[in-house]
Parts: sequence; structure tokens; C-alpha cells
Amino acid sequence: DAKTTQPNSMESNEEEPVHLPCNHSTISGTDYIHWYRQLPSQGPEYVIHGLTSNVNNRMASLAIAEDRKSSTLILHRATLRDAAVYYCILRAGASGGGADGLTFGKGTHLIIQP
Amino acid sequence: GAVVSQHPSRVICKSGTSVKIECRSLDFQATTMFWYRQFPKQSLMLMATSNEGSKATYEQGVEKDKFLINHASLTLSTLTVTSAHPEDSSFYICSARDVTGSYNSPLHFGNGTRLTVT
Repeated sequence: DAKTTQPNSMESNEEEPVHLPCNHSTISGTDYIHWYRQLPSQGPEYVIHGLTSNVNNRMASLAIAEDRKSSTLILHRATLRDAAVYYCILRAGASGGGADGLTFGKGTHLIIQP
Repeated sequence: GAVVSQHPSRVICKSGTSVKIECRSLDFQATTMFWYRQFPKQSLMLMATSNEGSKATYEQGVEKDKFLINHASLTLSTLTVTSAHPEDSSFYICSARDVTGSYNSPLHFGNGTRLTVT
């Protein structure tokens, strides 16, 4: 899987929007951009994924740069329950055989201030 | 939504004993399940890929004789840590992909098992 780069930590205020950046300059044409988050002492939770177009779901929005070398996860109105480590992960578009489990980087530790 | 149940959530065992961790997909079938390990303040590391009805595939550096994986059905995979030692103390997490989904379908994760070896 291609490498992603995220800030180690970010801080935001409750009820404000949060923009979590991810750089993936070596992304290939068939790589999907996935986001997961991990709350303290829990397993990761799927947030959103996309290929080229921006995506929205009930949890968040994903804005993908036109050249696909970066993306931004947007939490529209952060709550205290959104405090977690957010992982940006690239995943190949088709299995090439072998292990296809996700490769987690260090992620961004999001701190939400009340 | 799809639920992955992991049991036990916490276990303490003595050095030299074996511990079995179960991972069940409750409302979907999974031909493939993944086992991860996470040490404090570190990211998740993929240990092995568990395939229903066949042998697991282990990542480099993971001892297959120490971490025994069995995936006997489409809803259950088990990880047995054999002859556990204090350095095996970690947070073990499983994940699964719905057999009806595409390769890029989201993975569903269990809530992890915190293993402490004394």
C-alpha cells in the first residue's frame, strides 16, 4: 500500500468543523482512500472512503484533491465523542493476491475541547 | 450495521500458558478475517490473514507456531497465543470483510482483547 502522511495531532473546539488532512503523493490510479478512526480502548471504526469524487455520509465528508495527491476528512460539527485517532489509508482497487488487510500508519490524534 | 464480536475483552494469564481469542461476525459471513496487534501508544500491526477453510497467511516476523489461527466457519476465527510470555501482552484486534462485499468494502473491526501475561 502507498504511504500516507498525517499530522500527529490536531485540536478543535466542540461544535466546530474539523478538517483532517492527509497527503498521499504516491497514490496510484486505482488506489481508494479510506478513513477509519479508533476511539480509546476500542477497535477501529470505518468512517468513509472514496476514489476521485468527494463523498458524504452521515459521519463525515471526504474531499479529494483533483490530482488525488491529498485528501481531507471533514467532520462538520465535532462532538466530544469524535475524539479519536483518525487513520487515512490507501487501498488498492483490486486484490493482487496475498494479504489485503489494511496497513495503518500513526494517524492523527484529534483532541476536542469542550 | 455489521457487527464483529470479539471475546474475551480482557484476559490475564500466567507466563507459559495459552490463551484463545474468538472473533465472530454476527450478522454477515466472512471468508477472510484479519488479526492485528497494538502495543501502547502505537498503531495497529497486521499479524495474519485468516482464510476460511485454509491455512492462515502470516506477516513477516510473526511466528505461526506461536500464534495459531483457525478459521473453521464463515463466522468464526480464533487466535491462540501459545506459551504466552509478558512480551506478548498487547491489544489484539480482529477484523472481517463481508463475503458479499467488494474488495474495497469497509472492514468491520471487533472491540479488541487486552491480553496481560504475568
